[in-house]
Amino acid sequence: DIQMTQSPSTLSASVGDRVTITCQASQDIANSLNWFQQKSGKAPTLLIFDASNLETGVPSRFSGSGSGTDFTLTISSLQPEDFATYYCQHYSNLLYTFGQGTKLEIK
Amino acid sequence: VQLQESGPGLLKPSETLSLTCSVSGASILGSHWWSWVRQPPGKGLEWIGEIYHGETTNYNPSLKSRVIVSVDKSQNQFSLRLSSVTAADTATYYCARGRYCTSTTCPAHWFDPWGQGILVTVSS
Repeated sequence: DIQMTQSPSTLSASVGDRVTITCQASQDIANSLNWFQQKSGKAPTLLIFDASNLETGVPSRFSGSGSGTDFTLTISSLQPEDFATYYCQHYSNLLYTFGQGTKLEIK
Repeated sequence: VQLQESGPGLLKPSETLSLTCSVSGASILGSHWWSWVRQPPGKGLEWIGEIYHGETTNYNPSLKSRVIVSVDKSQNQFSLRLSSVTAADTATYYCARGRYCTSTTCPAHWFDPWGQGILVTVSS
């Protein structure tokens, strides 16, 4: 099975900062990588699909990049509503796999 | 498209968890798979299983021996049964629309949208 490893587990940042979260796959997954945001007490919501495609309605300060085994989620200028937990996700061979999550905290 | 979970919030060890997901705005017999995902308190997300066209299922190997996902076509609902629960099954359970498939390929393989989630606690 393919494993997804996110880093860091926790990230402290300030409003206006540019932040990057990484997700590494245990083997080549091409661009088959999605990103979700989960706010406290809420269900996850889709941010980016297929590594770099912004879901409709998601602010343009969010972007995704990468292919193969290494992927990044970047927030260009943090807003107060962006403090949440972020998960990467991959599907292959009849199995959906999530990264362990990155909690983005206010510094 | 909207999804809404329902079911008991408290179970005793060894009982069977039964949850239902009511879907509006889309047919569960359409071109998407329909999934269950869970999240233990303070922890990450774990995919449980999925169903397609009301009959084809796939399950996470780690839970396969205890899980059944089924549909009620007349109600446009799908359900989760997890047998022999323990405290380790305490989690928020989400239903979600999963991958989209045509007759030849599945070009989309993410979860969107999700239900609001339901907390299920297993305790004696």
